[in-house]
Amino acid sequence: EVHLLESGGGLVQPGGSLRLSCTGAGFTFSSNSMSWVRQAPGKGLEWVSSITGSGDKKYYADSVMGRFTISRDNPKNTMYLQMNSLRVEDTAVYYCAREINFFDYWGQGSLVTVSS
Amino acid sequence: SSELTQDPAVSVALGQTVRITCQGDSLRKYFANWYQQKPGQAPILVIFNRNDRPSGIPDRFSGSTSGTTTSLIITGAQATDEADYYCSFRDTSAGHVVFGGGTKVTVL
Repeated sequence: EVHLLESGGGLVQPGGSLRLSCTGAGFTFSSNSMSWVRQAPGKGLEWVSSITGSGDKKYYADSVMGRFTISRDNPKNTMYLQMNSLRVEDTAVYYCAREINFFDYWGQGSLVTVSS
Repeated sequence: SSELTQDPAVSVALGQTVRITCQGDSLRKYFANWYQQKPGQAPILVIFNRNDRPSGIPDRFSGSTSGTTTSLIITGAQATDEADYYCSFRDTSAGHVVFGGGTKVTVL
């Protein structure tokens, strides 16, 4: 059974940094592209970033380009999202998801709150 | 344009059929996918590649596309179908994923 687990969320001040992790189980992690999708309180889904299985290609939404960095460590079955220069508007639940041009499995999400 | 437009809310009587629409020029080129999200839960995939259903999704969920509009159809809506529904596609040329704004479905 496929399972995704996010960790690393929390409260951070504007301008601060945070690193999210997503650990996968029940599938061949290195064979799958992975993504981050976020949802601000009371709002809709917003795609954030994606990375191919080998890690050779990375894609970012315009809203996070230059501030967030996606990466992965396949031997550890883990994907990361390094978030720098955080803004109040980055406050959201961050989901990791497995991707095959659609998101077939999702984690339960990790809450990131950016506030002073 | 890579935007997707959804009606904010629709309602349906128990056991009746509801069509949730999603409009965008890019839907002529890219396959649409649909996600269901209930309060406090992660989204789940209900339709992929326009009209395919993942295992475990009831066959009352179906998808159709005509021109720039894609639809999620729930035939014989159940109380458990009350949720937010999001359409989405991946722009493979730009590498981006686009979501619609979501439609809240209420089962009366």
